[in-house]
Amino acid sequence: DGGITQSPKYLFRKEGQNVTLSCEQNLNHDAMYWYRQDPGQGLRLIYYSQIVNDFQKGDIAEGYSVSREKKESFPLTVTSAQKNPTAFYLCASNDDPGQGYNEQFFGPGTRLTVL
Amino acid sequence: AQSVAQPEDQVNVAEGNPLTVKCTYSVSGNPYLFWYVQYPNRGLQFLLKYITGDNLVKGSYGFEAEFNKSQTSFHLKKPSALVSDSALYFCAVRDPLSGTYKYIFGTGTRLKVLA
Repeated sequence: DGGITQSPKYLFRKEGQNVTLSCEQNLNHDAMYWYRQDPGQGLRLIYYSQIVNDFQKGDIAEGYSVSREKKESFPLTVTSAQKNPTAFYLCASNDDPGQGYNEQFFGPGTRLTVL
Repeated sequence: AQSVAQPEDQVNVAEGNPLTVKCTYSVSGNPYLFWYVQYPNRGLQFLLKYITGDNLVKGSYGFEAEFNKSQTSFHLKKPSALVSDSALYFCAVRDPLSGTYKYIFGTGTRLKVLA
């Protein structure tokens, strides 16, 4: 059963803590993406990776970090520098990123709440 | 710069009536356009896309969309709405000439189909 998995589904963070959100795909896709979703703001791109060991900042990368050591995995760390991290986080992937006409596949999301 | 606008935060329609969810875009070249649907606390699901060719594209669950280059629009339509179509709908654009691998998403339109 191919797809994207994200864990945990719900995550609670205390002030000053770093937390890591997991994203794994078995679709053999080269490109992976992290988005943040806030009510009324749509999806905003945090980071994206076109290939293993390479990633680029998106529009709102401050306070976040990523790694891409394996093709199937693209974890996102929300650091204490991110002042307003409470949001719904979505991971996505697609293949043939250079062409741009392939749709993205999304994971089920992680809802992060700061206590 | 690329941008996408979904001018309506919410669309209400009676079950059995036709529905339209609006999307307009701004890109420098010929766009790749996508529609996604999101059910509560879930990831986005791909509905349909326009890459080239016929301006009317058909997608999943009976949805279709019409690409209008002169009006820079890509409105989502369905001839007969179902209560189960109630969800959040996102339009996205990719400019193949932008030199980036980014997809730009609209802010979303909540569709409510009333029984």
